Amino acid sequence: DAGITQSPRHKVTETGTPVTLRCHQTENHRYMYWYRQDPGHGLRLIHYSYGVKDTDKGEVSDGYSVSRSKTEDFLLTLESATSSQTSVYFCAIRYSEVYNEQFFGPGTRLTVL
Amino acid sequence: AQKITQTQPGMFVQEKEAVTLDCTYDTSDPSYGLFWYKQPSSGEMIFLIYQGSYDQQNATEGRYSLNFQKARKSANLVISASQLGDSAMYFCAMRTNYGGSQGNLIFGKGTKLSVKP
Repeated sequence: DAGITQSPRHKVTETGTPVTLRCHQTENHRYMYWYRQDPGHGLRLIHYSYGVKDTDKGEVSDGYSVSRSKTEDFLLTLESATSSQTSVYFCAIRYSEVYNEQFFGPGTRLTVL
Repeated sequence: AQKITQTQPGMFVQEKEAVTLDCTYDTSDPSYGLFWYKQPSSGEMIFLIYQGSYDQQNATEGRYSLNFQKARKSANLVISASQLGDSAMYFCAMRTNYGGSQGNLIFGKGTKLSVKP
């Protein structure tokens, strides 16, 4: 347990509405990540952060934005949710700078109707 | 191209037997790391084991070992003495610094392991 929480854990929303998912860590890790998990695709990186206000795009960043104003919080925003963004979203932290192993939060199940 | 391939969508193993989950990778980066994660039906992602590209010995963690064959670009996970609680999805992942990725991980699509009593 690397002290990672995600909120909300479940959310149902309608197409076109904005949605923000929050990731919170308690151990001051520099790197944080947002992934989505879909059947048949494994985990795919959406965005990541390497420090406060330092973020970059991942493999599937279209339709998503992120912000990191404090070390402990990494927010993922869907500006206008679409049904294709129905997924399970995982936040992760990079636990060590040597091996880069990542520890994950519990996940958020998002359904866009 | 950086790629992780897990060719077994699903596998069955008898309780108490050993099982090997396959993972092959592709990278042009000489320095990389390989990881295995477990995802039980409850959904959390659990880090199991790590192997660095320069490590001379195969990594082991309890009943988990990583069969690292560098020339074949394979990093198979071996679970000894399977238990019912080992039933889960297993993901192989790779870390490289290729293309300025800053050591991000790329994941395979996973193998679903079912342990039979």
